[in-house]
Amino acid sequence: DVKVTQSSRYLVKRTGEKVFLECVQDMDHENMFWYRQDPGLGLRLIYFSYDVKMKEKGDIPEGYSVSREKKERFSLILESASTNQTSMYLCASRRALESTDTQYFGPGTRLTVL
Amino acid sequence: QQPVQSPQAVILREGEDAVINCSSSKALYSVHWYRQKHGEAPVFLMILLKGGEQKGHEKISASFNEKKQQSSLYLTASQLSYSGTYFCGTVPLIQGAQKLVFGQGTRLTINP
Repeated sequence: DVKVTQSSRYLVKRTGEKVFLECVQDMDHENMFWYRQDPGLGLRLIYFSYDVKMKEKGDIPEGYSVSREKKERFSLILESASTNQTSMYLCASRRALESTDTQYFGPGTRLTVL
Repeated sequence: QQPVQSPQAVILREGEDAVINCSSSKALYSVHWYRQKHGEAPVFLMILLKGGEQKGHEKISASFNEKKQQSSLYLTASQLSYSGTYFCGTVPLIQGAQKLVFGQGTRLTINP
């Protein structure tokens, strides 16, 4: 069974802290994605990676960075967390670049920055 | 640019029908539909490709109008289990195949 897991379901951090969100997929997918989900705004792409050590900015990359050292793991990093980064963060993976491929999502991490 | 979904929210009684629309300002190659139940990950429902349409489930189907750059999701004789937020994800013709761009979501509530 296909699986995307995220390290935490809930996280509370303070302003200025460095935050790591981890995502692991067990499907040997090339592509991995980080989205944030906010009410009324839907899913917005932060960054994605199409191969190990390769990354590309999404629509809202400001304030975030990513790391992909192994194929199965994709990390989202908030260098200095701010209150406007309080949100639900969803990781996803997808096998190939074909637009017909299904994208699989993790359960999400609800991050609160105080 | 995000596709626009309408309505933003809809409340139905069990057994009623619903239509959710997804409109893009760009020419599209494909449209993906997902459903997210509260507290869970979005789950893939179906995909519609340029030049055709695909029915993913018996009572949940969708259409894709390439000229109008929009897709519609049809839920027939809705069940309580259909409740959730529905997202369309679009793949523009020009942009390439990697990135799905999602709409803002439509919250569907089914009451007994």
